[in-house]
Formats: sequence, C-alpha cells, structure tokens
Amino acid sequence: GAVVSQHPSRVICKSGTSVKIECRSLDFQATTMFWYRQFPKQSLMLMATSNEGSKATYEQGVEKDKFLINHASLTLSTLTVTSAHPEDSSFYICSAPLGGRQFFGPGTRLTVL
Amino acid sequence: DAKTTQPPSMDCAEGRAANLPCNHSTISGNEYVYWYRQIHSQGPQYIIHGLKNNETNEMASLIITEDRKSSTLILPHATLRDTAVYYCIVRVYGGNNDMRFGAGTRLTVKP
Repeated sequence: GAVVSQHPSRVICKSGTSVKIECRSLDFQATTMFWYRQFPKQSLMLMATSNEGSKATYEQGVEKDKFLINHASLTLSTLTVTSAHPEDSSFYICSAPLGGRQFFGPGTRLTVL
Repeated sequence: DAKTTQPPSMDCAEGRAANLPCNHSTISGNEYVYWYRQIHSQGPQYIIHGLKNNETNEMASLIITEDRKSSTLILPHATLRDTAVYYCIVRVYGGNNDMRFGAGTRLTVKP
C-alpha cells in the first residue's frame, strides 16, 4: 500500500519556539494532504487541509497564523507550530488520499516545555 | 458526512471473532462505510470499506445491512495485536475528501 512518512517522530521544544513537522507521500503524489491533532485519550481532530499550490484551509477554531501550512510539492506538506506553548503539546498526524482511501503518517509527538 | 455511533469499548477473547457494530442511520446514497483502526501512539490504519455489499479482505469482513443504516466489522480470529481503537467513518468515496473521526470503539483482546 501507499506510504506516508512524518518527520520528526518526536520533538521536545521550549515554550516560545517554532517547530516544523514534515509529511511526505513516499510513493505517490498528493495535491491535498490533511493535518490532524490528537490529545491524550481523545479522537483525531481535523485541523486543516493542505493544498499544493494554494493556501491551506483551516477548520473552525484553528489559528492559521499559529499553525502555518506549506504544501511545497506534490509529495511534501509541512506544518509549522509557531511560538509553541505547553497547550500545543499533542500528537500531530498527517494523511494523504489515494484511490478513495486516506493513508496516514505515523504521527509526530510534540512536547512543549 | 453522516454521523456514526459506536460503543465506546468492547472486550474479546484471543482467537475468537470480534464483532464491532456501527450505526449510521443518516448515511446518504453515495457515502461509503470505512473502517480504520489506531494502535496506541500510531497513525490510523485502513482496514476495509464498502458501499452496500459485504466485503472481505485479509484483515476483516464488513457486513452492511440492507438498509445501510448500520454495519459490523468482523475480525475473524482476534489476536492481542488487534487491541486498538476502531473507527467507523462514513464519507463520499474518492477525490480529496477529508476524513473525520468520531470517538471510535476501544477493542481490548484478552488472552
């Protein structure tokens, strides 16, 4: 099946710093990718849709200036958490569609101290 | 997308069949039923999907009622590695449609 990777798998940063998370579709192209956030013991929540060549679309309540998304190519989308705070600590997961399915990355665990 | 309802948790004995129900009474004619699972601290994994006919693959079987208002995911011989949260999702097939997750069912397979 198709593979989606994320980097890094785990990151710890200080409050106020910015963190970039990469999402790559390894063996297929994706004009659209999706970013999710998952807090402990909760379900995945869709944050935004990343669109190659155009601006991302954000779900209600997600700050676009805080969560910067760049879909640089047909195989790469990046999520930058700017001025991270402890409440941004979460599990971030991306996905890319292919053939009617969504293929998910392994996730990135962000811890903000 | 139509809303789904799943039991919050279920237990299953190792080696027995696990039957996970899902209600989707507001499903539209062009919406498919998808099942994904998430093992702790991993990304969701695709299991199976279907429109109206029963489906089977190497992982599981999907039984959809004739009125399409509910479905059951069957893991025929559950193993300890099947312990996960199982999500039933209803959405239009294909394209760049997003996938939205409900609370899912936490399946615990016990020895």
